[in-house]
Amino acid sequence: KQEVTQIPAALSVPEGENLVLNCSFTDSAIYNLQWFRQDPGKGLTSLLLIQSSQREQTSGRLNASLDKSSGRSTLYIAASQPGDSATYLCAVNIRGNYQLIWGAGTKLIIKP
Amino acid sequence: NAGVTQTPKFQVLKTGQSMTLQCAQDMNHEYMSWYRQDPGMGLRLIHYSVGAGITDQGEVPNGYNVSRSTTEDFPLRLLSAAPSQTSVYFCASSYSRVWGYTFGSGTRLTVV
Repeated sequence: KQEVTQIPAALSVPEGENLVLNCSFTDSAIYNLQWFRQDPGKGLTSLLLIQSSQREQTSGRLNASLDKSSGRSTLYIAASQPGDSATYLCAVNIRGNYQLIWGAGTKLIIKP
Repeated sequence: NAGVTQTPKFQVLKTGQSMTLQCAQDMNHEYMSWYRQDPGMGLRLIHYSVGAGITDQGEVPNGYNVSRSTTEDFPLRLLSAAPSQTSVYFCASSYSRVWGYTFGSGTRLTVV
């Protein structure tokens, strides 16, 4: 059974720092992995989608990598800003199943 | 292009009442799904559809019904609301299995 783990559960850093959020999964038979952002009381905003054949994707200050063989993905945020404060979720789209398998999220706080 | 639209945003029900959560997308996506998000449990799949006229159960389908008469709409029906159905409900859609998902802004449901 696919399991997705996100570490750390919470992270608080000063503004301007570069940081890495981690996502690990137990089964490498995936179509893709998607990173989302969720603000308190709000919906889910897609940040980056990495297909199983890709190694990384970039969007602005965000870079997501995927190592399928080791079951890991990282979300790198450069030059963090207070507006980056949110909960970050990763979800794995697994083969043979229509269900996205979700991590519990990392709650990120960027201190001004 | 509105994306995925969910209504209502908030709802309070009494135990035993029924209601329908609406979900509509204007992106001509074939795949649509409903998730619920509960604290400490992550997001779980309720029902999904791979096209008009085709629906199937997800991980937690009990107490919910769905139908898909058009490509655009995928309503979720609560048959007889229970306090255990207090949650945030998200509708999502995707062009295909290997594409990323777009989520609606959610419906926060409280059953008293």
